[in-house]
Amino acid sequence: EPEVTQTPSHQVTQMGQEVILRCVPISNHLYFYWYRQILGQKVEFLVSFYNNEISEKSEIFDDQFSVERPDGSNFTLKIRSTKLEDSAMYFCASRRDRGNNYGYTFGSGTRLTVV
Amino acid sequence: GESVGLHLPTLSVQEGDNSIINCAYSNSASDYFIWYKQESGKGPQFIIDIRSNMDKRQGQRVTVLLNKTVKHLSLQIAATQPGDSAVYFCAENNYGQNFVFGPGTRLSVLP
Repeated sequence: EPEVTQTPSHQVTQMGQEVILRCVPISNHLYFYWYRQILGQKVEFLVSFYNNEISEKSEIFDDQFSVERPDGSNFTLKIRSTKLEDSAMYFCASRRDRGNNYGYTFGSGTRLTVV
Repeated sequence: GESVGLHLPTLSVQEGDNSIINCAYSNSASDYFIWYKQESGKGPQFIIDIRSNMDKRQGQRVTVLLNKTVKHLSLQIAATQPGDSAVYFCAENNYGQNFVFGPGTRLSVLP
């Protein structure tokens, strides 16, 4: 069964440092997403991406965040200057279509710890 | 703003019993709903979905019920097993929009 792959599984970084979280969506999917989940809390939407541009973003996704699809397979989330409150699980998801027959396929996540 | 919420944050059931996990949603325009299961250290995993033109859908050991009148969604798990222990999220979608997740219910299966 096709999977969404995320690397690394766990990243520890110092406050103020830049981090890049990497994702390889399912190959025939067209819509890509980043969500985050602070420990013990619900999954929160960050950003959606389609046709090489951001289609929607939440208020969490401020100027410190950016996304990129540098080639035909990778989808990255960059946090320019990490803060303690950025510590969370970050999930990448992809979807073949936006129609109601298509839910997300999530990756296993990257646990980001900012110290 | 509109949101998805859950009535019970934790649920403990005996192995072999049936489990019912509830979810309330407030966006009357939502027309597609999914239940996700999240095991410790893993990403959410699709369990079952339902469209707003249906009120019931069954899968293997799972049933989702949708009551649009009261904006309520439930997930029923038959003969709950230890492997069902996880956090369960409902998520709603308004066609073409992003999914909004509820806060989650932790299901603990007791031996």
